[in-house]
Amino acid sequence: AQSVTQLGSHVSVSEGALVLLRCNYSSSVPPYLFWYVQYPNQGLQLLLKYTTGATLVKGINGFEAEFKKSETSFHLTKPSAHMSDAAEYFCAVSDRTGANNLFFGTGTRLTVIP
Amino acid sequence: ETGVTQTPRHLVMGMTNKKSLKCEQHLGHNAMYWYKQSAKKPLELMFVYNFKEQTENNSVPSRFSPECPNSSHLFLHLHTLQPEDSALYLCASSQDNGDRNEQFFGPGTRLTVL
Repeated sequence: AQSVTQLGSHVSVSEGALVLLRCNYSSSVPPYLFWYVQYPNQGLQLLLKYTTGATLVKGINGFEAEFKKSETSFHLTKPSAHMSDAAEYFCAVSDRTGANNLFFGTGTRLTVIP
Repeated sequence: ETGVTQTPRHLVMGMTNKKSLKCEQHLGHNAMYWYKQSAKKPLELMFVYNFKEQTENNSVPSRFSPECPNSSHLFLHLHTLQPEDSALYLCASSQDNGDRNEQFFGPGTRLTVL
């Protein structure tokens, strides 16, 4: 069974500061990992995903995440926060067998302070 | 229209009403999903359809009834709902070809049950 834990339901950073959103997963097999972003009154949009290969994954809007198997983590980072990054971020996991089903964390709301 | 669309965007209904949510995808995908998003809880997968056949039903109460008449359309029929069913209902689609392809989400229907 898969599960995802996102540490911190709210994170605040200053504009221009580093963004770090944490995600740890529990999976019986090496998973596929995703980060989605949700802006107000909108659906979820894929930021990036890890399936195989390089463990450092680059996504849209300057975000990247690193898959660390030993730590069962897939933390999301961005070197310099922009006001437009304020949104809710969801980490999700899918296993490598069976259907293409995603299991989501509870989300982290990012606030960017001017 | 592009992507995944959902109608209506907002719905208020009484517990004795019958209503339907509609989702349409314009991406040529063969899999569609219903999710429930409640405050402070992970997104809950409700139903999955692959090639118009229901492949997942995650213990959803019978007051929610899905319908998938073709690979582009997905409905969620609602009847005798409870106030705790108030939530954002998200539809998603993906191309299920054995790989873990991205799920594309619609903007959601904000449902309030009085």
